Amino acid sequence: QQPVQSPQAVILREGEDAVINCSSSKALYSVHWYRQKHGEAPVFLMILLKGGEQKGHEKISASFNEKKQQSSLYLTASQLSYSGTYFCGTEIRGNTGKLIFGQGTTLQVKP
Amino acid sequence: GAVVSQHPSRVICKSGTSVKIECRSLDFQATTMFWYRQFPKKSLMLMATSNEGSKATYEQGVEKDKFLINHASLTLSTLTVTSAHPEDSSFYICSASLTTRLARNEQFFGPGTRLTVL
Repeated sequence: QQPVQSPQAVILREGEDAVINCSSSKALYSVHWYRQKHGEAPVFLMILLKGGEQKGHEKISASFNEKKQQSSLYLTASQLSYSGTYFCGTEIRGNTGKLIFGQGTTLQVKP
Repeated sequence: GAVVSQHPSRVICKSGTSVKIECRSLDFQATTMFWYRQFPKKSLMLMATSNEGSKATYEQGVEKDKFLINHASLTLSTLTVTSAHPEDSSFYICSASLTTRLARNEQFFGPGTRLTVL
């Protein structure tokens, strides 16, 4: 039931782009993306509610393909502050709003 | 954004004692709060869903008598780890759910509580 994220880890240079994928075996109502820095709580990035929806937050955007039960997070022109672990949280239809999180993708941005 | 606090941020206790962790939504009312457990470099594992005024719903494999959850008001949920043992040492994080017209079930996380059982 846990969604699968790929890749597990990414190392980038400042200014490079990255894509993080989240795939579920269950039909999804929504996908939530969070970033967590070491020793801190996860920070909300965005929610995607509809199939085919795309949202953006500064240079971070995401898409949600409801039919494929997949979501992707796009980080463009990465900055040092983007470093951290990214989690997708999936909300399965009929559930009470609870999220099941993927295993996380560790992103390291180097100067 | 909405703010969620947790107290304490760090606790060290002896084996066999009970530890209470508080989770508060500071600037909004949360009908639903969630409790997670996170091991080092691992994902967030949902332990239970806490609804104000009703019994918590626990995930499979989580001991109800071990992890007591009380959701006394729309801004406060507590997790009590009873008779703690070293294997209960972990990072415990709560989140509060904010449902708005634009963002359904957006969850805001507290800063977490690091529990170490000696």
